[in-house]
Amino acid sequence: RKEVEQDPGPFNVPEGATVAFNCTYSNSASQSFFWYRQDCRKEPKLLMSVYSSGNEDGRFTAQLNRASQYISLLIRDSKLSDSATYLCAVNTNAGKSTFGDGTTLTVKP
Amino acid sequence: DGGITQSPKYLFRKEGQNVTLSCEQNLNHDAMYWYRQDPGQGLRLIYYSQIVNDFQKGDIAEGYSVSREKKESFPLTVTSAQKNPTAFYLCASSSGMRAFFGQGTRLTVV
Repeated sequence: RKEVEQDPGPFNVPEGATVAFNCTYSNSASQSFFWYRQDCRKEPKLLMSVYSSGNEDGRFTAQLNRASQYISLLIRDSKLSDSATYLCAVNTNAGKSTFGDGTTLTVKP
Repeated sequence: DGGITQSPKYLFRKEGQNVTLSCEQNLNHDAMYWYRQDPGQGLRLIYYSQIVNDFQKGDIAEGYSVSREKKESFPLTVTSAQKNPTAFYLCASSSGMRAFFGQGTRLTVV
């Protein structure tokens, strides 16, 4: 079993749709959690950190459920420019940083 | 400008040759990482280092080697033992939280 697993996707949605991605992790010692965005043939860039209380940044909302060991990302009012691959990342207290395989989102007009 | 620099951007290697990918950061980060990404796949951890002169194997370390002689530098050597080295290699650094990535090196075996 992979340490970090994501929804396989791909997700194809119309503009304005709401879409949610989930990511589960197996290491209960995981301490910090992130969502990254990766555009085609580019390096990943941080989208947002994920806090225990949940956090929001504009149209993006991240949630963490430590008991069930999953994190989620909700995108509201999808834009064409949101089309990308979204990667979740989990850091352990030993400094290991593990990424999921990514979920590809395509927003269509 | 502060950041993390990988070089070269594109690299071609003949089968049986070792090749070293460079990664330098001026962010004063203690932790550095190497990942491999294959087309349509996620990032797989090769090696990581939390401090100078120390590093740990990641999930796919076979056929790779690293060194961490300076805080700023974490070069990755792809050895001839790596049977399928063609991939996109990403280096990252971290202060313990989020990771900052270099622009990557695309390695192709010819």
